[in-house]
Amino acid sequence: SAVISQKPSRDICQRGTSLTIQCQVDSQVTMMFWYRQQPGQSLTLIATANQGSEATYESGFVIDKFPISRPNLTFSTLTVSNMSPEDSSIYLCSVGSRGAYEQYFGPGTRLTVT
Amino acid sequence: GESVGLHLPTLSVQEGDNSIINCAYSNSASDYFIWYKQESGKGPQFIIDIRSNMDKRQGQRVTVLLNKTVKHLSLQIAATQPGDSAVYFCAEISPGYSTLTFGKGTMLLVSP
Repeated sequence: SAVISQKPSRDICQRGTSLTIQCQVDSQVTMMFWYRQQPGQSLTLIATANQGSEATYESGFVIDKFPISRPNLTFSTLTVSNMSPEDSSIYLCSVGSRGAYEQYFGPGTRLTVT
Repeated sequence: GESVGLHLPTLSVQEGDNSIINCAYSNSASDYFIWYKQESGKGPQFIIDIRSNMDKRQGQRVTVLLNKTVKHLSLQIAATQPGDSAVYFCAEISPGYSTLTFGKGTMLLVSP
């Protein structure tokens, strides 16, 4: 499976600011996804990051709040904009291949908003 | 570090016991299922998968059982070890989709 890294691993941010999280994969992948995991909860899909086109967002998530970039097949960013304490979560990227269902996850970014 | 399992159901077992973790999935049309293991401070790790045309699949020390009649999935871990302590999630995919829907998760605690 691919080796996936995320930066930063954790951050503490003030409300009203924005944070960009990076996801880097060591090989080209067709599918990249961004998830949120609130404390003590399961994973919720935010969006599918599409290379060369806009991300596909799930219900309850919007581009203005969570803009995503996918400039190539090995890299994606998720920005958490105008943060509030409710955005305190672990943010995870995952990768998959078209035609294969399994996804492999990065280590996550632990965000605390004060 | 901070645990992701603070609000999750917990299964406590002794080292060497067999563990069974259960999951009720939501969509009767789902045709693919995955079990993930998430250790504290890490991302979910793929354990084993199963397609809906199977009712059992075995891996190394793990077995997944699928009962489509009652929309139930279970993960059996043989000879549980302290290193198996983690939160376990099931995930499902519906036909025509490439996105995973995760279950609520179960924390497994293995005491020596």
